[in-house]
Amino acid sequence: GNSVTQMEGPVTLSEEAFLTINCTYTATGYPSLFWYVQYPGEGLQLLLKATKADDKGSNKGFEATYRKETTSFHLEKGSVQVSDSAVYFCALSDQGGSNFGNEKLTFGTGTRLTIIP
Amino acid sequence: EAGVVQSPRYKIIEKKQPVAFWCNPISGHNTLYWYLQNLGQGPELLIRYENEEAVDDSQLPKDRFSAERLKGVDSTLKIQPAELGDSAVYLCASSLDDGTAQYFGPGTRLTVL
Repeated sequence: GNSVTQMEGPVTLSEEAFLTINCTYTATGYPSLFWYVQYPGEGLQLLLKATKADDKGSNKGFEATYRKETTSFHLEKGSVQVSDSAVYFCALSDQGGSNFGNEKLTFGTGTRLTIIP
Repeated sequence: EAGVVQSPRYKIIEKKQPVAFWCNPISGHNTLYWYLQNLGQGPELLIRYENEEAVDDSQLPKDRFSAERLKGVDSTLKIQPAELGDSAVYLCASSLDDGTAQYFGPGTRLTVL
């Protein structure tokens, strides 16, 4: 079956540090890949997505590249801010291509990120 | 545009009592999902609706859990009777038919004593 493995947290960084949160996946088909973020007291929000190999998703200074050869979708940001403190979830939808939003999402366990001033 | 609305935000009940959660999806979103999120884990799908039809309920424990989406808009998830292990956050999400991303509500945190 499908699965997502995320870097274990918690992760604590100083403001303006470089961030990497690792994510690897196992899927039977051609999945679409997502990063969701959950700020304290709020629901999950889609941060970025990629639907096919070599696609790069980006948003709010975050980016992740769909690497089929290494089955990875690592999240990166060049300079983090205190406001980036949240829990980050990697997820996949094993529909691929069109209609990816209407299938079951398989999530990783989440990585809690804390940025200190 | 209003997001996915869920209520209540928090619920504390005694074991063996019934409980219900309500979700109002984003207007125009035909697909609705209920997820279960245990502490320190990612969400897991319980049931998915296309309009009023449950198209994937394979992960729903049907002996105690039930759900409905009458008229294809709002949805209710019920547990009867609740067990200690049901303590978790119950998330509702919705999406358009055109395959865009799922949008999540803030969740209902259930505590069973």
